[in-house]
Amino acid sequence: DGGITQSPKYLFRKEGQNVTLSCEQNLNHDAMYWYRQDPGQGLRLIYYSQIVNDFQKGDIAEGYSVSREKKESFPLTVTSAQKNPTAFYLCASSTTGRGYQPQHFGDGTRLSIL
Amino acid sequence: GESVGLHLPTLSVQEGDNSIINCAYSNSASDYFIWYKQESGKGPQFIIDIRSNMDKRQGQRVTVLLNKTVKHLSLQIAATQPGDSAVYFCAETHHNYGQNFVFGPGTRLSVLP
Repeated sequence: DGGITQSPKYLFRKEGQNVTLSCEQNLNHDAMYWYRQDPGQGLRLIYYSQIVNDFQKGDIAEGYSVSREKKESFPLTVTSAQKNPTAFYLCASSTTGRGYQPQHFGDGTRLSIL
Repeated sequence: GESVGLHLPTLSVQEGDNSIINCAYSNSASDYFIWYKQESGKGPQFIIDIRSNMDKRQGQRVTVLLNKTVKHLSLQIAATQPGDSAVYFCAETHHNYGQNFVFGPGTRLSVLP
């Protein structure tokens, strides 16, 4: 089945530690996205990538980094500079081009602080 | 579905009744809208979308209504079932904005037996 796989489902971070969240898709989508979801708020865009080897900052990129070395993979690193990393992180993908393209989501990674 | 801080607005309906979930969107230039369903601990699932050249679109047991005059979107679920219990949120964008959607905070739908 085609879809988006995020791992791990739960992740714990220690003080001063960087952690990496995995996102893989087999939908052959060009675009991929990372969102942060906090209780009572809409999804906020962290980073997005429209094509391999290129990515753009979203609204809340500080304290995060990404790479896009392969079309199917878009890992997110939460660095120690992110002082409030506890949240539910969602990865999405979509086709690109003019017009109307819905985003499809993975099942998320919940990050907590130890 | 207005944001109320940490607590989402909740809609409770009896099983078998119809549900109406509302969303006030922010940008009058937005021309594409999506409704997502998110179950606890899972990612959002696409339900239905609508373009601004339409004011109504129907899917299986769901209908989306768009009122551009007052920037309002609603999702109607017919014959609500226990499996419909989830958080529902809307997303808006303009086709020239690439894939940059603005997402609402959502409404929690609780289906009572």
